[in-house]
Amino acid sequence: EAQVTQNPRYLITVTGKKLTVTCSQNMNHEYMSWYRQDPGLGLRQIYYSMNVEVTDKGDVPEGYKVSRKEKRNFPLILESPSPNQTSLYFCASSPSKGGNQPQHFGDGTRLSIL
Amino acid sequence: DQQVKQNSPSLSVQEGRISILNCDYTNSMFDYFLWYKKYPAEGPTFLISISSIKDKNEDGRFTVFLNKSAKHLSLHIVPSQPGDSAVYFCAVNFGNEKLTFGTGTRLTIIP
Repeated sequence: EAQVTQNPRYLITVTGKKLTVTCSQNMNHEYMSWYRQDPGLGLRQIYYSMNVEVTDKGDVPEGYKVSRKEKRNFPLILESPSPNQTSLYFCASSPSKGGNQPQHFGDGTRLSIL
Repeated sequence: DQQVKQNSPSLSVQEGRISILNCDYTNSMFDYFLWYKKYPAEGPTFLISISSIKDKNEDGRFTVFLNKSAKHLSLHIVPSQPGDSAVYFCAVNFGNEKLTFGTGTRLTIIP
């Protein structure tokens, strides 16, 4: 089954404790992206990657890191999480350029930073 | 500044009637527009799209209309069904590699 898989689905942690949210897709997609969803703000893009070893900032990249060492994986790293990063996070992928191709989304990761 | 606005946070429609969801955007040059649907505890799923060279695209019960002069996008669902109850996001590609999403409209279909 074609899918985007995120782990963990839920996480409660404390300020400053490094965490990684993994994202994997099995569709051989080139483009991958991370979003956060907050009430009243919709989905905002954090980082995106157009191919292996190519990443770029989205609209809200501060406090996040990503890497794209393999085509299928695109982890989101919070080196020193803070309470304002409490949010619902989505990973997405599409066959090529993100803008004109429908993106496939994972089911989300709900992060709570205390 | 590229913005996408969905001014109605929620909408209730009787089953069988037409649902109309609206979206406004700014700063258009080459644009591509998409609608996504989201159920609770799931990720958004792609619904329908339209490019800026068209003014209408239809897929079954779903039709998207684009008014470029007004910078306005709308999604029509007819007839509305209970399974259409979800949050709907419009998204715009302003000619770059990113999608800018609206804030979403929660649609409730009343049986």
